[in-house]
Amino acid sequence: NAGVMQNPRHLVRRRGQEARLRCSPMKGHSHVYWYRQLPEEGLKFMVYLQKENIIDESGMPKERFSAEFPKEGPSILRIQQVVRGDSAAYFCASSPGTDSYNEQFFGPGTRLTVL
Amino acid sequence: GENVEQHPSTLSVQEGDSAVIKCTYSDSASNYFPWYKQELGKRPQLIIDIRSNVGEKKDQRIAVTLNKTAKHFSLHITETQPEDSAVYFCAASPMGTALIFGKGTTLSVSS
Repeated sequence: NAGVMQNPRHLVRRRGQEARLRCSPMKGHSHVYWYRQLPEEGLKFMVYLQKENIIDESGMPKERFSAEFPKEGPSILRIQQVVRGDSAAYFCASSPGTDSYNEQFFGPGTRLTVL
Repeated sequence: GENVEQHPSTLSVQEGDSAVIKCTYSDSASNYFPWYKQELGKRPQLIIDIRSNVGEKKDQRIAVTLNKTAKHFSLHITETQPEDSAVYFCAASPMGTALIFGKGTTLSVSS
């Protein structure tokens, strides 16, 4: 009974490079959420996806950030031309999406460091 | 949109004492209120949640209460133990959408 999987767990990038973060939801879950946690701060919602659809991207910065959840494979959060301010822990969570309540389970996170 | 306020930001108690963390929310459409515990460098773990059609829920030493009229909910931990030391986050979710989190409470339990 694998939980939410994320990889890589740690990612180091230089300014201007691209970062790709992957998230595989729990078995049977079709909804994926991405959250960002800056050092010693709370979790901020970024984007909510279902298979092949972005449902809510109201928390996503308008530039450089994009997300997808293809029919096959993991959800991917992509950050282009990273800057030092992108350094954070990025968590994804999944939920079954079978009712109007929204029990979400989190993955271990990807800790992005931008040099 | 939804806004969640959480207090206190830090809480220190002696082992065996009770701890209470309070949150308020702004969106009356919110119907799901989970609490997460996060240890240093780890993922947030769901410890208890409450739905809007329930006023109180208990699981061993942990309980959560919800007052929909006042738009606030609270986490109660009884008989605290050193392993309860962590950061606790409350959250609110309107109708199956994203979780909006409070800023967290750092709980320290000293033996």
